[in-house]
Amino acid sequence: DQQVKQNSPSLSVQEGRISILNCDYTNSMFDYFLWYKKYPAEGPTFLISISSIKDKNEDGRFTVFLNKSAKHLSLHIVPSQPGDSAVYFCAASETSGTYKYIFGTGTRLKVLA
Amino acid sequence: DAMVIQNPRYQVTQFGKPVTLSCSQTLNHNVMYWYQQKSSQAPKLLFHYYDKDFNNEADTPDNFQSRRPNTSFCFLDIRSPGLGDAAMYLCATSRVGGLGSPLHFGNGTRLTVT
Repeated sequence: DQQVKQNSPSLSVQEGRISILNCDYTNSMFDYFLWYKKYPAEGPTFLISISSIKDKNEDGRFTVFLNKSAKHLSLHIVPSQPGDSAVYFCAASETSGTYKYIFGTGTRLKVLA
Repeated sequence: DAMVIQNPRYQVTQFGKPVTLSCSQTLNHNVMYWYQQKSSQAPKLLFHYYDKDFNNEADTPDNFQSRRPNTSFCFLDIRSPGLGDAAMYLCATSRVGGLGSPLHFGNGTRLTVT
């Protein structure tokens, strides 16, 4: 049972344009959501997070939006740069529960120069 | 810099030969995790420690064991590796509390079983 889903395995975007990566979850107890970026042969690197008490969090070129009623979150990257090309994972956890973080399968983003 | 360090980066073992992967952290986080990631799949949680309390996932095979002798170190033991255990093994840490804390990952150990 996949509690966190990333339905787009890959995405290509032109440099300078917006990249939108999507993530859906099924467990209504999740209250903390994260995005990670992973390059080949490296561990995932934390990008940005959002608590369920917010619907938007912004950090530089990265913005995460949370729609609790739809159980959906998205990561926006504006403007996209070739160095953003990587696999992006979303993850979710229950902060008052078991401290487990559940990951999606990832979306491979390719930013074309 | 505070960080999570995994050794070795690459490990080759023979079918059925026990292998141990190690992880250390300088972040002083109270929770440590082991994830298994196979190609094009989500990182899968094997188990985690909250301080010394061990939490095993229900579907983690008995072949996988873990030890956390102190706050800084955590080990993953694979007692009898099979070909299906070839994967990237990721260690991560987090600090419990507040409205949430991100996981901090090491660079992983890629395990090959021959």
